[in-house]
Amino acid sequence: GAVVSQHPSRVICKSGTSVKIECRSLDFQATTMFWYRQFPKQSLMLMATSNEGSKATYEQGVEKDKFLINHASLTLSTLTVTSAHPEDSSFYICSASGQAGTEAFFGQGTRLTVV
Amino acid sequence: AQSVTQLGSHVSVSEGALVLLRCNYSSSVPPYLFWYVQYPNQGLQLLLKYTSAATLVKGINGFEAEFKKSETSFHLTKPSAHMSDAAEYFCAVSARNAGNMLTFGGGTRLMVKP
Repeated sequence: GAVVSQHPSRVICKSGTSVKIECRSLDFQATTMFWYRQFPKQSLMLMATSNEGSKATYEQGVEKDKFLINHASLTLSTLTVTSAHPEDSSFYICSASGQAGTEAFFGQGTRLTVV
Repeated sequence: AQSVTQLGSHVSVSEGALVLLRCNYSSSVPPYLFWYVQYPNQGLQLLLKYTSAATLVKGINGFEAEFKKSETSFHLTKPSAHMSDAAEYFCAVSARNAGNMLTFGGGTRLMVKP
């Protein structure tokens, strides 16, 4: 299957700082990328959907000014957690897909810990 | 709108026993259905998917699932559990007109006893 690379896999940051997470599709063009958040022992919750070259669509309750998403190319989307707080500590996972209805490929996830 | 319910947040089986993980879905349009496995601190790996072809879908690692429209179910089975099958399993649904946005069930942790 296609490969989606997510970086970093783990990051620890201080409260108040910003963290950028990258999601790259290595061998296909991802017209759509999705960002999910997963709290311990819970399911994945969709945060936002981004299409290349347009603004991301955020799910209800997700602060777009706090979770900045950029999808500037068909192979790269970034999620920036701004002014991080301990409650932002979570596992963030991206997925990327080319065509609708086909498989969405997932990145390895990023464990964010805000201290 | 779509939703997924996974019955049983924890399932425990003995090695060699049948694995049955339950998934029921709700969708206002014909769905695509997926099963994913997640190992600790890792992303998701696709086990299998239903996209309107055969209702019995075979996936990797000996898993299979059957789409039953009348029961709105997509249960995951494996005839004989291995220790390496211990992981978190997620059922997900995607509406065919919603790109690949997935709605996940709550997950089921499978434990395999020796």
